[in-house]
Amino acid sequence: DAGVTQSPTHLIKTRGQQVTLRCSPKSGHDTVSWYQQALGQGPQFIFQYYEEEERQRGNFPDRFSGHQFPNYSSELNVNALLLGDSALYLCASSLAWGGDTGELFFGEGSRLTVL
Amino acid sequence: DAKTTQPTSMDCAEGRAANLPCNHSTISGNEYVYWYRQIHSQGPQYIIHGLKNNETNEMASLIITEDRKSSTLILPHATLRDTAVYYCIVRVSGGYQKVTFGTGTKLQVIP
Repeated sequence: DAGVTQSPTHLIKTRGQQVTLRCSPKSGHDTVSWYQQALGQGPQFIFQYYEEEERQRGNFPDRFSGHQFPNYSSELNVNALLLGDSALYLCASSLAWGGDTGELFFGEGSRLTVL
Repeated sequence: DAKTTQPTSMDCAEGRAANLPCNHSTISGNEYVYWYRQIHSQGPQYIIHGLKNNETNEMASLIITEDRKSSTLILPHATLRDTAVYYCIVRVSGGYQKVTFGTGTKLQVIP
């Protein structure tokens, strides 16, 4: 049973560029959350998708956008990259309703470096 | 803002019990306490969770105070592989919600 998979694992961009990160949730999960983790900090909530709609959003500008597909996979898009966007981007999946314990399953992350 | 507060760092001797405290004084009646750990910038890993009763699994034990305003994660016999950042969060079980992580506790297990 595959867990949460993210791609790419590492990437380098320059300021002003755009980036797309991808996430496949754990089998059976229907909810995907995205987090940004700067070095030495805890994960910061970006947004959460359920039933292909953004349900919750953290304190991030609208340069950060996302999408969830019918197969529950998700993308995170960041436009007009800034140096401060350099971070580890984590995807977490969960089951919104049902018999699951409600825990979040995290992928290994995508390390973005903006030069 | 995170709903929990944790010490920034702790040390523990290998083989001894590691006791990691967490304060969550504003916890709501339907919120669970979850613990995760993150080893060297890998994705956070679920450890254990509880509502009001003490819980134990193969990884750890969770002790929640009667008033539910604080809890302690116990690693009974810490090993070097337990060196990690440990996060305590509170959330309802299920549904879609914003889950906030604090800065966690950096546990260093010393040989």
